[in-house]
Amino acid sequence: QVQLVESGGGVVQPGRSLRLSCAASGFTFSTYAMHWVRQAPGKGLEWVTVISADGSVEYYADSVKGRFTISRDNSKTTLYLQMNTLRPEDTAVYYCARGWEMAFDMWGQGTMVTVSS
Amino acid sequence: QSALTQPASVSGSPGQSITISCTGTSSDIGDYNFVSWYQQHPGRAPKVLIFDVSIRPSGVSNRFSGSKSANTASLAISGLQAEDEADYHCCSRSSTSTRYVCGTGTMVTVL
Repeated sequence: QVQLVESGGGVVQPGRSLRLSCAASGFTFSTYAMHWVRQAPGKGLEWVTVISADGSVEYYADSVKGRFTISRDNSKTTLYLQMNTLRPEDTAVYYCARGWEMAFDMWGQGTMVTVSS
Repeated sequence: QSALTQPASVSGSPGQSITISCTGTSSDIGDYNFVSWYQQHPGRAPKVLIFDVSIRPSGVSNRFSGSKSANTASLAISGLQAEDEADYHCCSRSSTSTRYVCGTGTMVTVL
């Protein structure tokens, strides 16, 4: 079955970096755009970034532009999120989600990122 | 880009119908027919209920329906059941540099 499994979350100090991974299985990964969506504790969803199926096009939310980088390795069916210069307001559960019809049709279980000194 | 506005909470009794609103702007909901809705139970990942304003994916109950008028989208839940108690989120494609915007989330309580 379709499965997305995030990893790489943890506690990090402000200004430091972290890289998240999302391992995909059960579908043809290389034919889908992929997103990262985050959810701060007790808050709604916030779209973070998207990468096209072939990895050639990326878009970012203004809140992370210039600090976060999305990438993918279709040979490994894995999605990545490199997060630099982290801020306390980046604290959230980070979900990877499959893009479909301008929506997000499959989601991972999420990985928690806490930015705190 | 501000988040879409949803009521913090909505409640109803079993069997009743409720509606959740999602208010945006002419740069998102008003500009595209790309509104989606998600159900999220505590500690779980979101699940898509509606895409493209009113289309239900295969397997989603027809008790859930979506609509849109101007800058506001709505999710209706009919025949409310205990299992519908969850958080609900809307998202929309946006014409701003932040290409997608989501809502503040609504907690649905079944009385």
